[in-house]
Amino acid sequence: AQTVTQSQPEMSVQEAETVTLSCTYDTSESDYYLFWYKQPPSRQMILVIRQEAYKQQNATENRFSVNFQKAAKSFSLKISDSQLGDAAMYFCAYRSVFMEYGNKLVFGAGTILRVKS
Amino acid sequence: ETGVTQTPRHLVMGMTNKKSLKCEQHLGHNAMYWYKQSAKKPLELMFVYSLEERVENNSVPSRFSPECPNSSHLFLHLHTLQPEDSALYLCASSQEGHSRRGEQFFGPGTRLTVL
Repeated sequence: AQTVTQSQPEMSVQEAETVTLSCTYDTSESDYYLFWYKQPPSRQMILVIRQEAYKQQNATENRFSVNFQKAAKSFSLKISDSQLGDAAMYFCAYRSVFMEYGNKLVFGAGTILRVKS
Repeated sequence: ETGVTQTPRHLVMGMTNKKSLKCEQHLGHNAMYWYKQSAKKPLELMFVYSLEERVENNSVPSRFSPECPNSSHLFLHLHTLQPEDSALYLCASSQEGHSRRGEQFFGPGTRLTVL
């Protein structure tokens, strides 16, 4: 079974600075999807960024980018120019492309990001 | 975000009550999900419906009963719950099949408290 590990329960960053959130996962598959979701205090789970494992190029979405290291099974999220609105719980998630695993998203435990003004 | 809506947003119920949670997606997706989010626990997938058929049930107690009447609506019927069932219940949807991109879109959740 696949597992996702987020080793940082909490992180802090100064407004306008850069922070990196770590995620590692365990799988025997060669193709899969990886995601970062953000859950602010409103509790709405929001998709931040998506990566397909067969693509070597790291995904970027405005101030958010990932460092995808397939061999190391690492998928970190970098937030540049941090803003107060970035404060939230961030979840890393894995999904198999194979139908025998259904449509399941496997989530990590989450990292709370605090942004200081 | 209005792609996936959930009602009610908050619910307090006694252990002998019967209530239902409702989810509606406006994204034209063909799969819907119920997740449970408890304090200090990872999100737990409860049920998956794909093309209105239940394709996964992760050993969820029978006091939780899902219903998916069509691809846009999903219900979670609750009866004789326990205090440990208090949690945030999240609904999600996705597009499966050839146009699949893998991601799921979530609703705002229902905060359930069982007294």
